[in-house]
Amino acid sequence: DAGITQSPRHKVTETGTPVTLRCHQTENHRYMYWYRQDPGHGLRLIHYSYGVKDTDKGEVSDGYSVSRSKTEDFLLTLESATSSQTSVYFCAIARGASGGSTDTQYFGPGTRLTVL
Amino acid sequence: SQKIEQNSEALNIQEGKTATLTCNYTNYSPAYLQWYRQDPGRGPVFLLLIRENEKEKRKERLKVTFDTTLKQSLFHITASQPADSATYLCALGGSGTYKYIFGTGTRLKVLA
Repeated sequence: DAGITQSPRHKVTETGTPVTLRCHQTENHRYMYWYRQDPGHGLRLIHYSYGVKDTDKGEVSDGYSVSRSKTEDFLLTLESATSSQTSVYFCAIARGASGGSTDTQYFGPGTRLTVL
Repeated sequence: SQKIEQNSEALNIQEGKTATLTCNYTNYSPAYLQWYRQDPGRGPVFLLLIRENEKEKRKERLKVTFDTTLKQSLFHITASQPADSATYLCALGGSGTYKYIFGTGTRLKVLA
């Protein structure tokens, strides 16, 4: 357990509304990630952060933005939600498993988002 | 493009047998490979990591092999138990990158 919480855990929203998901960690890890998980696609990286105010795009970043104003919080925003963004969203941090500094990921419990 | 393939079909085995899951990859030279377990409704949980210069890694009933020539990793669970039933994901990490690529996972069901 890497002290990762996500909020909300479940959300139903309508097409076109903005949505913000929050990831909070308590262990001061530098690297944080947002993934989405869909049947047949596995985990796909949306955005990641390598420090406060330092973020970069992942494989499926279109329609998403992120912000990290504090080490412990990484926010994912859907500016105008679409039905294709219905998914389970996981936040993760990276830390060392055996000698490496960031070679293992630890995941939050996930947020199930439904866009109607 | 980089690609990871895991058995998309579910794997059913009898309790007590050894389960073997496969992870194949293309167009990538990973520095290490990881295996995760995911239970329904939960986030993935890290199990084992193996580096490119390692052939085999063990942890209790788990064993991972890594063949960079074949571009393949095998994940074994010996003396399998119904509690081992879950989806198992492999992921690749590269040297100098902080991004990971995940496979789609293989669902394992251990029958009592």
